[in-house]
Amino acid sequence: GAVVSQHPSRVICKSGTSVKIECRSLDFQATTMFWYRQFPKQSLMLMATSNEGSKATYEQGVEKDKFLINHASLTLSTLTVTSAHPEDSSFYICSGLRPQNTEAFFGQGTRLTVV
Amino acid sequence: GENVEQHPSTLSVQEGDSAVIKCTYSDSASNYFPWYKQELGKRPQLIIDIRSNVGEKKDQRIAVTLNKTAKHFSLHITETQPEDSAVYFCAASYFIYFNFGNEKLTFGTGTRLTIIP
Repeated sequence: GAVVSQHPSRVICKSGTSVKIECRSLDFQATTMFWYRQFPKQSLMLMATSNEGSKATYEQGVEKDKFLINHASLTLSTLTVTSAHPEDSSFYICSGLRPQNTEAFFGQGTRLTVV
Repeated sequence: GENVEQHPSTLSVQEGDSAVIKCTYSDSASNYFPWYKQELGKRPQLIIDIRSNVGEKKDQRIAVTLNKTAKHFSLHITETQPEDSAVYFCAASYFIYFNFGNEKLTFGTGTRLTIIP
């Protein structure tokens, strides 16, 4: 299958700082990338959908000014958690959509801990 | 928007028996229904998917059925093995080929499947 690489896999940051998470599709062009948040033992909650070259579409309840998403190219999308707080601690995972067969491929995920 | 419900949340099955996980969706426009398996500490991996133009799809021990009228779809795993233990997520989406920008995968809440040796 296709490969989506997400970095970093784990990050610890102080409250008030910003953290950037990168999601790259290594061997295909992802016209659409999804960003999910996963709480322990819970499902993947869609945060936003980003399409290359356009603004991301955020789900209800997700603050777009706090979770900045940039999809500057067909192979790279970034999620920046701005002014992070402990309640932002979670597992964030991206998924790139391969349009040829509509299959979505997931990154390894990023465990964010805000202290 | 789309809402996907999944049951049961946990399921324990004796090795060799079958496991069934059920999902319902709300948006009749959804036309693509993938199933993902997430092993502990790993990313979700697609195991099987079905499109709205078929009612059933099978891949070795895994099968998925779709009832568009009732808006529900199910995952069936036969002859379960210990390596089938994982969390399984169903999802629903609406894709228009070559009209990108409207896709959105909505996941169910997940089913933790445990295979008892």
